[in-house]
Amino acid sequence: NAGVTQTPKFQVLKTGQSMTLQCAQDMNHNSMYWYRQDPGMGLRLIYYSASEGTTDKGEVPNGYNVSRLNKREFSLRLESAAPSQTSVYFCASRAGTGYEQYFGPGTRLTVT
Amino acid sequence: GQQLNQSPQSMFIQEGEDVSMNCTSSSIFNTWLWYKQDPGEGPVLLIALYKAGELTSNGRLTAQFGITRKDSFLNISASIPSDVGIYFCAGRVSGAGSYQLTFGKGTKLSVIP
Repeated sequence: NAGVTQTPKFQVLKTGQSMTLQCAQDMNHNSMYWYRQDPGMGLRLIYYSASEGTTDKGEVPNGYNVSRLNKREFSLRLESAAPSQTSVYFCASRAGTGYEQYFGPGTRLTVT
Repeated sequence: GQQLNQSPQSMFIQEGEDVSMNCTSSSIFNTWLWYKQDPGEGPVLLIALYKAGELTSNGRLTAQFGITRKDSFLNISASIPSDVGIYFCAGRVSGAGSYQLTFGKGTKLSVIP
């Protein structure tokens, strides 16, 4: 039982390049979330998926797209990376009951 | 959106001392969560609180859901070096239409051996 896994762990991109961050959970959770964490800003919600087949914007969605591939997997895509997207990205999941979210280990992204 | 004020922002304590930190808001919350984040890792859930006045312990950690429902407190007793990290509070605003959480900006704890 691995919980929430994220790949890659580190990534360096040049401005304008694209990439997809992968997230998977093996806890049979219904909801999944993508956050970014920046110094002094705390965790900010980018997108979330309340259940398989649905996605909604969070606080900072601009420049990102998401796909809820199935119940286990929720990916985050940067179509044209910008230096302002340099951050640590966390995926989280939540069961159908309660509000506790469980986080993955993060992806550290640098855009130059 | 709603804001959570978490304090202190950072603290340095001697090993063996007790630690207290808190989160406050102008909004009423129906859920409070406390997380710990080690350097280079993701946040790990420590304690979840669902009722006003609730007091819950997890080993040396004790958290309380404030009576006003606008605040929560985390205490760590007899700190040890592995308590080092950033502690985040998170909450769900009462009546919110989604399952989103609001996060505090964290308290960075340093323990001096």
